[in-house]
Amino acid sequence: NAGVMQNPRHLVRRRGQEARLRCSPMKGHSHVYWYRQLPEEGLKFMVYLQKENIIDESGMPKERFSAEFPKEGPSILRIQQVVRGDSAAYFCASSPGRSYEQYFGPGTRLTVT
Amino acid sequence: DAKTTQPNSMESNEEEPVHLPCNHSTISGTDYIHWYRQLPSQGPEYVIHGLTSNVNNRMASLAIAEDRKSSTLILHRATLRDAAVYYCILRDGNSGYSTLTFGKGTMLLVSP
Repeated sequence: NAGVMQNPRHLVRRRGQEARLRCSPMKGHSHVYWYRQLPEEGLKFMVYLQKENIIDESGMPKERFSAEFPKEGPSILRIQQVVRGDSAAYFCASSPGRSYEQYFGPGTRLTVT
Repeated sequence: DAKTTQPNSMESNEEEPVHLPCNHSTISGTDYIHWYRQLPSQGPEYVIHGLTSNVNNRMASLAIAEDRKSSTLILHRATLRDAAVYYCILRDGNSGYSTLTFGKGTMLLVSP
């Protein structure tokens, strides 16, 4: 059973460009969570999604960030008009249901130049 | 989620037991105690969780104080691969769901 997959593993974007981060949950998992880890800081929750629904986006910046988890295909975290402060590691996790343990992917390391 | 307090870092020698403490004096009756760890340059990894009784699995043991205000993650024989940041997290079992609130955790250093 493959684990949580994230791609790309490394992404470099210039200021003002768009970044798209993809997350494929473990087989059978319909709950996806996105977390961000800024350099020298802890992991912070961003958004929690179920198939086609955003359940909790309380940790997501109000502007430029959006997330989706369509019926088919991976979950996508989209960052528009990236700025240097968006440089971080973005981790996706999945679980088979609410309150279950979460399984994390290897992360996407975004660098904004 | 209720707050937890952990030491910033701990050191151990390979093949020795490691006891990682966590204080959670404001824990509520429905809070589960979860432990995750993050190896260098990797995503976090679930380790163990419990409510009131001590728990064992293939990775570690979790000892929970009788008043539940503290707990200890026990690695029975540390290996170099156990060097990681260990996070103690409380999750409310009554809320239907809860996201993970990561603190600074304890960085475990393992020497050969």
